[in-house]
Amino acid sequence: GAVVSQHPSRVICKSGTSVKIECRSLDFQATTMFWYRQFPKQSLMLMATSNEGSKATYEQGVEKDKFLINHASLTLSTLTVTSAHPEDSSFYICSARRTGLAYNEQFFGPGTRLTVL
Amino acid sequence: AQTVTQSQPEMSVQEAETVTLSCTYDTSESNYYLFWYKQPPSRQMILVIRQEAYKQQNATENRFSVNFQKAAKSFSLKISDSQLGDTAMYFCAFILTQGGSEKLVFGKGTKLTVNP
Repeated sequence: GAVVSQHPSRVICKSGTSVKIECRSLDFQATTMFWYRQFPKQSLMLMATSNEGSKATYEQGVEKDKFLINHASLTLSTLTVTSAHPEDSSFYICSARRTGLAYNEQFFGPGTRLTVL
Repeated sequence: AQTVTQSQPEMSVQEAETVTLSCTYDTSESNYYLFWYKQPPSRQMILVIRQEAYKQQNATENRFSVNFQKAAKSFSLKISDSQLGDTAMYFCAFILTQGGSEKLVFGKGTKLTVNP
């Protein structure tokens, strides 16, 4: 159990367009999901925490109007990169927190590679 | 500041040998969880091992074990009988609780190459 999927796995878009990335917990409910960004050969950087039914909490320096997060159900969170530019090209990873354990373990999706031309 | 430091950007080891990856951290919390994650070339993050800070006993998962030194804030990962499939980036992390929310804080990672 505890599988997280992401769709799409790869996306190429033109500068100025918007791209939506989905994160789904397939076999458990997740009231909290997280969105990370990873540049080549670097670590994961937390962008925002997504809570079901409420507004996302963004990390300092992350533009909330550019990276729109919607956590509409207990199994789905979406990240929309609005008006994407080449500097937004990166690897985006989501994780879903599974509650009910002694601690709240995060399970990671396989990531989405975004390339903005 | 709550930080994680991995001082070895890259390491290599021969197949079947043992290798230790270093990690130090800084936190003002008294109870927390520490993790080692593996990220192979597929880039899927995989939990390797976790340690609860209140437990003195070092965690072990098959060929993976940790040396947890709470006073020194050190959390190293030992991989025994290294296999080619262990080639990956390894990230040390801990859960930071702040303002009622939790988040993982990652180190910069160590790239491990297992040579045949």
